[in-house]
Amino acid sequence: KQEVTQIPAALSVPEGENLVLNCSFTDSAIYNLQWFRQDPGKGLTSLLLIQSSQREQTSGRLNASLDKSSGRSTLYIAASQPGDSATYLCAGYGGATNKLIFGTGTLLAVQP
Amino acid sequence: EAQVTQNPRYLITVTGKKLTVTCSQNMNHEYMSWYRQDPGLGLRQIYYSMNVEVTDKGDVPEGYKVSRKEKRNFPLILESPSPNQTSLYFCASSLRRQNYGYTFGSGTRLTVV
Repeated sequence: KQEVTQIPAALSVPEGENLVLNCSFTDSAIYNLQWFRQDPGKGLTSLLLIQSSQREQTSGRLNASLDKSSGRSTLYIAASQPGDSATYLCAGYGGATNKLIFGTGTLLAVQP
Repeated sequence: EAQVTQNPRYLITVTGKKLTVTCSQNMNHEYMSWYRQDPGLGLRQIYYSMNVEVTDKGDVPEGYKVSRKEKRNFPLILESPSPNQTSLYFCASSLRRQNYGYTFGSGTRLTVV
């Protein structure tokens, strides 16, 4: 059964720090991967999508990479801001499961 | 604006009273799906639809029904809601099932008393 682990589960950093969130899959056969942001009680906002032919994507201060051989993805946030505080979820589409599998989430708090 | 619209945003109902949560997308997406999100359990798929008139069960389909009569709409039906269906529900759509980004609705918080 495909499981997705996100490390750390929670993270608190001072404003301005660069940080890395990690996502790993038990089954490394990941076709594509998407990172989402979720504010408390709200919907999921798509941040970055890494399609099957890609290894990384960048949007503003965010950079996501995917290593298919190891089944791992990282989300890099540069110069963090208090507005970045939220839960970050990774979700991978696996060939074996044929569906989108969500990670457990990382709760990020950026202190002013 | 490209979006997935769910209604209602909040709903409190009583056990056994049938209800429908609507979902509509304006992106001409083929694939649509329903998820529920519970503390400690994360997001779990309830049902999905590959296209009009094509639906299938996800991981937790018990107690739910869906239909896909039109491409843009994918309602979630609870014929006889029970308290264990109290949850935050999300509808999502994608151009295709794989390799395209998923767009999520804003969520429906359902409480069954």
